[in-house]
Amino acid sequence: GAGVSQSPSNKVTEKGKDVELRCDPISGHTALYWYRQSLGQGLEFLIYFQGNSAPDKSGLPSDRFSAERTGGSVSTLTIQRTQQEDSAVYLCASSLGPDSPRDGYTFGSGTRLTVV
Amino acid sequence: AQKVTQAQTEISVVEKEDVTLDCVYETRDTTYYLFWYKQPPSGELVFLIRRNSFDEQNEISGRYSWNFQKSTSSFNFTITASQVVDSAVYFCALSDSWGKLQFGAGTQVVVTP
Repeated sequence: GAGVSQSPSNKVTEKGKDVELRCDPISGHTALYWYRQSLGQGLEFLIYFQGNSAPDKSGLPSDRFSAERTGGSVSTLTIQRTQQEDSAVYLCASSLGPDSPRDGYTFGSGTRLTVV
Repeated sequence: AQKVTQAQTEISVVEKEDVTLDCVYETRDTTYYLFWYKQPPSGELVFLIRRNSFDEQNEISGRYSWNFQKSTSSFNFTITASQVVDSAVYFCALSDSWGKLQFGAGTQVVVTP
């Protein structure tokens, strides 16, 4: 597609339920990232996928968070047993990597998660 | 460890004034990448510029200009003749080896007519 697509755009869930957030990166982008932005806060790194390498999971806040990337394309971020502090905007980004001379990371519009 | 500091939390200007956003970074890597992103009220992060550590040329794009100085570990951003549409949160970010992107806290720019 033309940009990074995220779904759903909004999600309201009850505390304790599991949620899945989806990211479709730009076609051909080998790198995919998940970040979250809590209300009035900056951007917090969660996880990074690069090609077939093992993902960098160093930013996942707890073992309730997991992510996978199938076929080097679509990624799903799963949050189990959601808590109110999980409420945030979850942003996905993709990139061609450093070989592209002037490229940056392209972000999607995000999924706004509200845990009630 | 990487760190990005944007000391200015909010800057308010009147239209047509210039505004400079400061960004100071810390990294032990010799190869790294610096970025600026704009986040308007709609929430989407818009890529503005990328600068590689080995390229210290300053850059101008329309009303935007960037001043990269390795000696002071700074990558400052200036908006010339600001407009209301420039009102947004601006983030400076740093990446090594094209992995994790470390963001600063952001600077809210408010441009009033």
